[in-house]
Amino acid sequence: ETVMTQSPATLSVSPGERVTLSCRASQSVDSNLAWYQQKPGQAPRLLIYGASTRATGIPARFSGSGSGTDFTLTISSLQSEDFAVYYCQQYSNWPYTFGQGTKLDIQ
Amino acid sequence: QITLKESGPTLVKPTQTLTLTCTFSGFSLSTYGVGVGWIRQPPGKALEWLALIYWNDDNRYSPSLKSSLTITKDTSRNQVVLRMTNMDPVDTATYYCAHSIWNVHDYWGQGTLVSVSS
Repeated sequence: ETVMTQSPATLSVSPGERVTLSCRASQSVDSNLAWYQQKPGQAPRLLIYGASTRATGIPARFSGSGSGTDFTLTISSLQSEDFAVYYCQQYSNWPYTFGQGTKLDIQ
Repeated sequence: QITLKESGPTLVKPTQTLTLTCTFSGFSLSTYGVGVGWIRQPPGKALEWLALIYWNDDNRYSPSLKSSLTITKDTSRNQVVLRMTNMDPVDTATYYCAHSIWNVHDYWGQGTLVSVSS
């Protein structure tokens, strides 16, 4: 099973800051990597797929990069609505696995 | 507009079988590349991928749960059913179904909370 490790577990940041979240795979997943945002009581929302392609309707402040085993999600200027939990997921190797999530807290 | 909605019991007893139905609209599960997957999330914990069924009837299961899971589809009724046998309190979670296009889960249902307790 491909283990996805996200870091940090929690990040305290202020609105307007630039944030970078990390996701590492235990084996190569090529570019088959997605990022999701989840707010309390809501279903996950797809942000990025193919490691770097924004999903429909996702603001340009969200960007993804990486391939193989190391990936990053960058939010260029945090808005109040961006405080949430972010998950990465690989869809290259069965079973498709999620990371443990990174929670963005308001500092 | 793609929508999905999960339905099923909110409470099951240990050892019982859970049957969840995902009813969807806005797409066909006979379209090339399309699938419907199930993902769960225990309270306060991370997402766990469970199973996926494809347009061509191929299916995939999480190896750790494969012996207890069955996923089926009814294309004419726009439904996907997940059955999970021998439920345990550790299976208490919100269960989501999601549309998949080439394995990317781009649209999700609202989720349904299932509690396992005697």
